[in-house]
Amino acid sequence: DAGVTQSPTHLIKTRGQQVTLRCSPKSGHDTVSWYQQALGQGPQFIFQYYEEEERQRGNFPDRFSGHQFPNYSSELNVNALLLGDSALYLCASSATGQGEGHEQYFGPGTRLTVT
Amino acid sequence: QKEVEQNSGPLSVPEGAIASLNCTYSDRGSQSFFWYRQYSGKSPELIMSIYSNGDKEDGRFTAQLNKASQYVSLLIRDSQPSDSATYLCAVNDYGNNRLAFGKGNQVVVIP
Repeated sequence: DAGVTQSPTHLIKTRGQQVTLRCSPKSGHDTVSWYQQALGQGPQFIFQYYEEEERQRGNFPDRFSGHQFPNYSSELNVNALLLGDSALYLCASSATGQGEGHEQYFGPGTRLTVT
Repeated sequence: QKEVEQNSGPLSVPEGAIASLNCTYSDRGSQSFFWYRQYSGKSPELIMSIYSNGDKEDGRFTAQLNKASQYVSLLIRDSQPSDSATYLCAVNDYGNNRLAFGKGNQVVVIP
């Protein structure tokens, strides 16, 4: 049973550029959430996609956008990159109606470095 | 804004001892509580989930939840060097499904 996958693993971009990160959820999961984790901090919620729509959004600017495809995979796009966007970007998948708490399972992450 | 606090510094425990981690949260509406383990350079791995007051045991891990006092804890019994990692506490509202995380606690198990 394949877990959550993310690509690419590492990425180096220059300030002002745009980046697209990709995520495929765990088999049987239909909800994808994205988190940003800065060094030494806990993950911060960016947004969540379900049924190809953004259902919830955290405190992130509009430079952060996303998409979910019919096969439940998802993309995170960041425009006009800033140095402060350097972080580990995590994708987590879960299944609606799964148990009590919608356990979320993380992919390996994409390490983004902005220079 | 939901806040999750893990305010103790790095925890060093000898091999075979019990490691105890605590977490407090601000939102009384929180209903689901999770502990993730994160090795250096890796992504978080779910190790425990708890939804009701009391204790929940899974192998060497025990999660404890007290909603009245708004805290959740994690005990690691018979600590092993492989338990050396950062442990993240996370909470969410039932039906909300967005996790709020603490900053994490680093655990170092000394052989």
